[in-house]
Amino acid sequence: AIWMTQSPSLLSASTGDRVTISCRMSQGISSYLAWYQQKPGKAPELLIYAASTLQSGVPSRFSGSGSGTDFTLTISCLQSEDFATYYCQQYYSFPRTFGQGTKVEIK
Amino acid sequence: EVQLVESGGGLVQPGGSLRLSCAASGFTFSSYEMNWVRQAPGKGLEWVSYISSSGSTIYYADSVKGRFTISRDNAKNSLYLQMNSLRAEDTAVYYCARTSAATLGHYFDYWGQGTLVTVSS
Repeated sequence: AIWMTQSPSLLSASTGDRVTISCRMSQGISSYLAWYQQKPGKAPELLIYAASTLQSGVPSRFSGSGSGTDFTLTISCLQSEDFATYYCQQYYSFPRTFGQGTKVEIK
Repeated sequence: EVQLVESGGGLVQPGGSLRLSCAASGFTFSSYEMNWVRQAPGKGLEWVSYISSSGSTIYYADSVKGRFTISRDNAKNSLYLQMNSLRAEDTAVYYCARTSAATLGHYFDYWGQGTLVTVSS
């Protein structure tokens, strides 16, 4: 199985901040990485796929980068609706695996 | 509009069984691969199982292999998860999730709202 290390687990930030979340793989996965946003009591929602492609309808302040083993999710200007938990997920091989999650909270 | 609606969750004793269902609408269900993903209370996401569009290819997480069975009925636009020999650690919200049909795009593009399974005596 491919192990994923997502960091930080908790990120305290203010509206307007630029934030970055990291996801590191135990082996290379090319660009087969997705990012999801989950709000309390709700299902996850797809933000980014293929490491850097924005899902339709997702605001452009979200961006993804990386390939191989190191990936980053960036929110360029944090908005109130962005306070949530974010997960990375690899779909290079089975079993599919998720990062541990990063909770973005209000500072 | 794509919709995935899970049902069948509830309280079950350790060692018991439960069958989850996911009703799909708004897309050609028979053309899409599907998955179950779960989330224990206060924890992260865990992929559980995958089934190909025809049902001919199936994968499971090691944590459920031999106890859970994924299946689908394309005529009824439905996905299922038969869960046997349930343990306390299976307590979670179970989501069905659609695999994108994009070339090499095996990410999860739509999720249901989830159904809670509680395993407790």
